[in-house]
Amino acid sequence: QVYLVQSGAEVKKPGASVNVSCKASGYSFTGYYLHWVRQAPGQGLEWMGWLNPNSGDTNLAQNFQGRVTVTRDTSINAAYMELSRLTSDDTAVYYCARSGSLVVGYYHHDAFDVWGQGTMVTVSS
Amino acid sequence: DIQMTQSPSSLSASVGDRVTITCRASQGIYNYLAWYQHKPGKVPKLLIYAASTLQSGVPSRFSGSGSGTDFALTIDGLQPEDVATYYCQRYNNAPAWTFGQGTKVEIK
Repeated sequence: QVYLVQSGAEVKKPGASVNVSCKASGYSFTGYYLHWVRQAPGQGLEWMGWLNPNSGDTNLAQNFQGRVTVTRDTSINAAYMELSRLTSDDTAVYYCARSGSLVVGYYHHDAFDVWGQGTMVTVSS
Repeated sequence: DIQMTQSPSSLSASVGDRVTITCRASQGIYNYLAWYQHKPGKVPKLLIYAASTLQSGVPSRFSGSGSGTDFALTIDGLQPEDVATYYCQRYNNAPAWTFGQGTKVEIK
C-alpha cells in the first residue's frame, strides 16, 4: 500500500516558521515528484510547489518564492516544507501529494494520485 | 500563467440527476487535465486524469471529456455521497500546476 503520512497540527505565532513533514511508504520515494498544496478556510486548493526527491530540485509557485523551502531526506523517505514569516493568511490545511505514476499510451500524466492526510497549521497571536 | 476557470461555482441537484461541471483553460493544455473530489474534512481524491481516464476504483457514473481549452466533468446519476467540492487541475507545461476555483455540489 502506498502512503504519505504527514506530521501533526501546528499552532504558530505571526512571524514564526513552520515545518511540515511528509513520509512516504510503499513505493520508491525517489521515483516520483512530491507536491505541496494548501487549502485555507473557505478557500480552494492552491498548489505551492514540487520536489524531485531524486535530485532535490524544487520549483515553487510565484506566491511562495522566498518564503517556502522544500527539502528531503532520502534515508528515511521524507520530504519537508518550511514556510517562514507566517501571517494569519497562512492558516490552512497543508497537503503533500505524489505525481508521476499515471501513464496513458506513451504519455505520463502528472495528476496527484496519492495524498497525505493533511496538516492543519494555525497562525494566531 | 495559464488560468483555469470552473463553472458554476455551486450547484444543487436532485438524486439521480445528471450534473455537468465545466472547466476552461486560458490557453490550450491538450488533455493534461485532472478532476478531484474534495469532501469536508477529507483528503482530495483523484477522479479523472488525461481529461477522460477514470482513476481506478472511481464509480463509472463519473466521466470526463474535452481537450484543448474546454473540459467537462459529468456525474450521471447524482448520489448523496457525491456531495463535495470538485476541482479541475491542469498539469501540462511544468513547472506549474493550477487548480480551478472549485464547484460545490449539493443535493436539492
